[in-house]
Amino acid sequence: AQSVTQPDIHITVSEGASLELRCNYSYGATPYLFWYVQSPGQGLQLLLKYFSGDTLVQGIKGFEAEFKRSQSSFNLRKPSVHWSDAAEYFCAVARISGGYNKLIFGAGTRLAVHP
Amino acid sequence: DGGITQSPKYLFRKEGQNVTLSCEQNLNHDAMYWYRQDPGQGLRLIYYSQIVNDFQKGDIAEGYSVSREKKESFPLTVTSAQKNPTAFYLCASSLLGQLNYGYTFGSGTRLTVV
Repeated sequence: AQSVTQPDIHITVSEGASLELRCNYSYGATPYLFWYVQSPGQGLQLLLKYFSGDTLVQGIKGFEAEFKRSQSSFNLRKPSVHWSDAAEYFCAVARISGGYNKLIFGAGTRLAVHP
Repeated sequence: DGGITQSPKYLFRKEGQNVTLSCEQNLNHDAMYWYRQDPGQGLRLIYYSQIVNDFQKGDIAEGYSVSREKKESFPLTVTSAQKNPTAFYLCASSLLGQLNYGYTFGSGTRLTVV
């Protein structure tokens, strides 16, 4: 069965430091992969997505992610974190099930940013 | 601008009451979804719908009901049978059969039992 694992429940970084959030997926075919961000009390906003082509994808807010098929990973990175990046981040993989476009989400990683 | 509107933002329910959460989209999306979010548990799928008058149970449908009378609307009713309804509820929509699209989410409704 398809699944998404985000190994880190909580991560704390200092403002200005680099960030990497891990995501591993289990999927037989070419995966369609997504990263979403959720600020407290808000809905989820799409940061970036990958489905083909260049394995390094750029997203909004200065984020990027790299697809590595050999490692079944799609890690999210940012060179320099801002205090406003404190939020919860969700990785997801898409598949068709019964005609539906279904997203399977990881459990999320909560990011705290120290000043 | 197109998007998904969830209302109300905050909702309080007394024990034994049914309450209905609204979800409206003007994106012309076919599919709509309801998720429940609890701290530390990620997103859990309650119900989803592909077309008008059709919907399917997700992973945690017990104690919930939905309707899809219009393409734009997918209200969720939390019934008295749901023993622990306090949570954050998210509605989402998507295009059918386009895996590269992902979901568009509403801003959520926080339901609290009082």
